[in-house]
This record gives sequence, C-alpha cells and structure tokens, in this order.
Amino acid sequence: EDKVVQSPLSLVVHEGDTVTLNCSYEVTNFRSLLWYKQEKKAPTFLFMLTSSGIEKKSGRLSSILDKKELFSILNITATQTGDSAVYLCAVLYYGQNFVFGPGTRLSVLP
Amino acid sequence: DAGVIQSPRHEVTEMGQEVTLRCKPISGHNSLFWYRQTMMRGLELLIYFNNNVPIDDSGMPEDRFSAKMPNASFSTLKIQPSEPRDSAVYFCASRGQDHQPQHFGDGTRLSIL
Repeated sequence: EDKVVQSPLSLVVHEGDTVTLNCSYEVTNFRSLLWYKQEKKAPTFLFMLTSSGIEKKSGRLSSILDKKELFSILNITATQTGDSAVYLCAVLYYGQNFVFGPGTRLSVLP
Repeated sequence: DAGVIQSPRHEVTEMGQEVTLRCKPISGHNSLFWYRQTMMRGLELLIYFNNNVPIDDSGMPEDRFSAKMPNASFSTLKIQPSEPRDSAVYFCASRGQDHQPQHFGDGTRLSIL
C-alpha cells in the first residue's frame, strides 16, 4: 500500500531553536515529493523535490530528498512563532496520484 | 492573482440533506483535485480531473459522493444524502503543468448534524 509517514507528529520548541521534520515514503513509481505548510486554512506550497541530494532553500527553510533511502527532511532554523503550523509532506506518484502524510504539528513558543 | 475559490466557506445542515460544494480553479490550470481533511484521517484525495475528465475517483468513499467538472473553470462535489460522518473540511486544489505543485482553496467546513 502506498504511504507517507511523518515524524514527529507534534513538536514544541522555543523561538530561535532549529527543527528537523522527517518524511518517509513507500510508493510505486515515485515522481516528486512536496512540502506544504498549513496554518488555519489551506495548505500553502513550500518545496517540490524531484532529484536526490539537491537542497532547496527559502529563507530559514530548507529541504532535501534522498531517493535511495526514500525520505526527505525539512529544516527550519532560528524558528519564530509564525512558523507554528502543521507541515504536510505529500508524494506524487504514478501519473497524478498524490498521497499526503499525517503532518507534523509544530508549536513555537515565545 | 485570484487563487482557487471555494464556496461556501461553511455549511451546516441536517443529515439526509443534499450538499453541494463548489470550486473555481486557477485560470489556465488543467488539473483539479478534491480532498477531505479530518483529524482522524488527515488529508485524503477523493477525486481528480485532468482537462475536465475524471481520472481517478477511487478515493470517493461511497456512491453518495459524486463530482463533476462541466468546464475548465468550475467543479462541484455533491453528497446525497449527507451523514454526520461526512463532517470535515473539503479542499479543492488545482495545478497547471505536470510536475508543478497544487494550489489549494481555503476549503469548505462542512458540519452534518
């Protein structure tokens, strides 16, 4: 069965801390992995990763994919309270099929 | 730029009633996706369309659920009859070219009493 697993499921840190969120997957005919941030409403797109070993970076956020070990990490440095959200990992596979992980709920305390 | 537009934002109705959720994708996007999100099951893909044609509806939970996309700028998700376990947030998302990310609407929060 195609699946995406995320860990931890929830995380509480203080402002300034660095966090690493994990996503592992088992799918047929992997195409790409996506990270989304969901606050109160719709998930908003962060990164799309297709190739192994190439880091994508946007400000304090960065992500990398390992297609051999079937996982990705999302790093957030110098966290701020505005980073508090659910971070979703999704995998696109076999055509246009998407499967989402359960998400990691990040809480950043002042 | 207008994003994906969903309506209504909230819907509260009694079980047994018909519910219709609406979605307007981003102009020029040729793929449209309907998702359901609950605390227990997370985000689940229900159905997706490519160029207005339903491609995969294996995620639709039951025959009570149906989705249509009569043209490139409009889609509906209908539940008839509705049940309390259908209560969830329903998201619509659209995508342009292949290998591009999906863009989500703000969702419809559905409560079936």
